[in-house]
Amino acid sequence: AQSVSQHNHHVILSEAASLELGCNYSYGGTVNLFWYVQYPGQHLQLLLKYFSGDPLVKGIKGFEAEFIKSKFSFNLRKPSVQWSDTAEYFCAVTRILTGGGNKLTFGTGTQLKVEL
Amino acid sequence: KAGVTQTPRYLIKTRGQQVTLSCSPISGHRSVSWYQQTPGQGLQFLFEYFSETQRNKGNFPGRFSGRQFSNSRSEMNVSTLELGDSALYLCASSQGQGLGEQFFGPGTRLTVL
Repeated sequence: AQSVSQHNHHVILSEAASLELGCNYSYGGTVNLFWYVQYPGQHLQLLLKYFSGDPLVKGIKGFEAEFIKSKFSFNLRKPSVQWSDTAEYFCAVTRILTGGGNKLTFGTGTQLKVEL
Repeated sequence: KAGVTQTPRYLIKTRGQQVTLSCSPISGHRSVSWYQQTPGQGLQFLFEYFSETQRNKGNFPGRFSGRQFSNSRSEMNVSTLELGDSALYLCASSQGQGLGEQFFGPGTRLTVL
């Protein structure tokens, strides 16, 4: 079964620090990759996605992620975090299923706290 | 375009009862997926419906079921509630073709006492 690993469960950074959150997945076939964010009290929102093409994808709010196929990785980065980036971040993978359709397999999430 | 809506937002039930949650997808979206979010297990896939048919199913007991109507709205039912069913239940919709992006609703917070 496919799985998604997020290596950092809790991260605390000061404002303006750089951020990198690790994500590795186990499935070897064609996958689509996502990073979702859940701000306190809000619903899951898509930060960015990778379907194909340029492995460096840019998302909203200055976030970017790099897909490295050989490492089965899709790490999230931001050069300079803000207090408003405090949230929980989820890496997710989806692939075509036998019956059609897809399901998202999520990592366990990384709780990011940005201090002023 | 209105987002995914879920009702009710909060529910309190007791063990042994059953509950029905509702989800209205984004207009034009034909696929609805349900996920359970708990602190211990994280986000887990329950099932996906497309054109009123269950297309995929996760590893949950038969007490968890769902259905989809012709207007793509979906309901999820949990029978014989257990304490461990306390969770945030999330609904996500997508257009349904291929590996499309899924859009999430705010969730229904279920507490089982």
